[in-house]
Order: sequence, then C-alpha cells, then structure tokens
Amino acid sequence: GQNIDQPTEMTATEGAIVQINCTYQTSGFNGLFWYQQHAGEAPTFLSYNVLDGLEEKGRFSSFLSRSKGYSYLLLKELQMKDSASYLCAAVDSNYQLIWGAGTKLIIKP
Amino acid sequence: ETGVTQTPRHLVMGMTNKKSLKCEQHLGHNAMYWYKQSAKKPLELMFVYSLEERVENNSVPSRFSPECPNSSHLFLHLHTLQPEDSALYLCASSQAWDSSYEQYFGPGTRLTVT
Repeated sequence: GQNIDQPTEMTATEGAIVQINCTYQTSGFNGLFWYQQHAGEAPTFLSYNVLDGLEEKGRFSSFLSRSKGYSYLLLKELQMKDSASYLCAAVDSNYQLIWGAGTKLIIKP
Repeated sequence: ETGVTQTPRHLVMGMTNKKSLKCEQHLGHNAMYWYKQSAKKPLELMFVYSLEERVENNSVPSRFSPECPNSSHLFLHLHTLQPEDSALYLCASSQAWDSSYEQYFGPGTRLTVT
C-alpha cells in the first residue's frame, strides 16, 4: 500500500532550527510537496522536490532522497508565526497526492 | 488571499438536512478537488474534476454529491449525513490534475453533523 510517515508533533524554541522528517512508500514517484497549515486556515504551498538534493528558499529548505524514500523540511531562525502543521505529500505514478497526517510544530519563546 | 474561496466557513446540520458547500477559484485553473480533513488524519481526496468532468471518485458515500457547473465553481451537496462526517472540507484547485502542479486550497468549511 501507499503510505506517508511523519512525526505527529514537535516542539522547538524561537530562534532555533528544526527538521521535520517524512518517509514515503508510493506506487511510482513524481515528486514530493510540503505544505504549511495554520490552525483554522488553508494549507499553503512551501516546496516541491522531484530530484535528489536540497532546495533552499529563505529560512525554509527541503531535502529529498529518492533512493531512501525520505524527505525533510528544515526551518531555520524559528519565529513564533512558524507554529503550524506541516503536511508532507508524495505524488504517485497516477499523479495522486498521498498525504501524511501532518506534523504539528509548537514554537516556544 | 489564495484565490480559492469557500462558503460557508462553518455549518451545523442535522442528519436529515440537505445543504451545499460552494467553492470558487479565481486562478484560471483546470482542475478542482474536494478533500475531507479530520483531526490527526491525512487529507482524504474525495473528488477531482478536470474541465468540469469528474476524473476521480474515491469510494465516497452517495450522501456526498459533487457538482461542477464550470471550471471555476465546485459544489458539494450533502444529504442524510452521519456524525462521523463532521470534519473540515477543503476545496483546492491546480493547473491540471494529471501532473505535479501545486494545489491551492480554500479556507475550508467546518462541518458539524448533529
């Protein structure tokens, strides 16, 4: 079956760095998305990786290893507004998104 | 502003009621989606439309009935729902359904079935 695993909840300190991991098993692979979702709001796009390696976008970076079925989202210089859920989604061979349950990130002062 | 709007934002309905959720996208996209989001569970894809044609229907109970009158509007008609249908219903759109384009989400409708 197809599956995405990511931690349920993580806690980090303002100004620090946090890494949110995601492992996936899909029938075929056409890339991996990360979305951010604040409580009561719509998920918003953060990143898309289809090739191995690290993509940096400001304070956020996303990494992909296709051979390991693994990705992570790295958040630097954490701010209180980064408190949100982070959703990992892999694209299968039929271009369907297989979603993880999300990681709730709590930022403490 | 994500370009995808949903109404109503909150809805409480009894199990015998009939109601409809509305979604509108202002992005010129060709694909629209309905998702169900329950607490601590992955997003569940319900329906996908491409240029007003339904292309995916993931074993959704018939008490949920989608309608796509044009590529900018999507409805989800609800009737005789069950308490376990209480969830956040998200609408999304993308340039095309059969590719890796990012999806743009609306703010959702928080549905409570009593």
